[in-house]
Amino acid sequence: AQKVTQAQTEISVVEKEDVTLDCVYETRDTTYYLFWYKQPPSGELVFLIRRNSFDEQNEISGRYSWNFQKSTSSFNFTITASQVVDSAVYFCALAPYGNNRLAFGKGNQVVVIP
Amino acid sequence: DTGVSQNPRHKITKRGQNVTFRCDPISEHNRLYWYRQTLGQGPEFLTYFQNEAQLEKSRLLSDRFSAERPKGSFSTLEIQRTEQGDSAMYLCASSTGTSGIYNEQFFGPGTRLTVL
Repeated sequence: AQKVTQAQTEISVVEKEDVTLDCVYETRDTTYYLFWYKQPPSGELVFLIRRNSFDEQNEISGRYSWNFQKSTSSFNFTITASQVVDSAVYFCALAPYGNNRLAFGKGNQVVVIP
Repeated sequence: DTGVSQNPRHKITKRGQNVTFRCDPISEHNRLYWYRQTLGQGPEFLTYFQNEAQLEKSRLLSDRFSAERPKGSFSTLEIQRTEQGDSAMYLCASSTGTSGIYNEQFFGPGTRLTVL
């Protein structure tokens, strides 16, 4: 079984500050995919990033960056120079290779204060 | 709009009634998923179709729930004899992909069900 834990519930930051969201996962699979999704107040989940378990290279995409550490089963996500439009719930999710069901964490509510 | 669409967006029903939701995936996507999201929680997987075949069902999908995807296009999710515990947001997602290859799931806006 897969489990995704996002410990922080609500995080408030002042605009232009960086915000880092923690995600810890559990899986018995050796190959899997990790994701971050954003759910704005409108409710529609928006795909942000995907990472394969066999590729630990960390990347930056615009204002988003992520830190994947297989040794600690963590997949943290950072928004640099936050903006008010970043206010949303952010979900970390996992899917084992060959399996299509996404297992989501409980989400982090990010509030960016202007 | 070429995204995933869901209808209705909101549904209020009385306990014991049957409800049916519809999902229209992105046209070229052969995979379709249903999830349920309750307040303050992440989405939970319910079931998954590849084309018209229902390949996986969660234990969350009780006998009162049934999903279909005739002709591999749109899908319906029916809940019979609704209970107050069924109140949730029902999310549909679709993706491309073949066996062993994972592709991003794109989500619809959801159907919010309230059972009185």
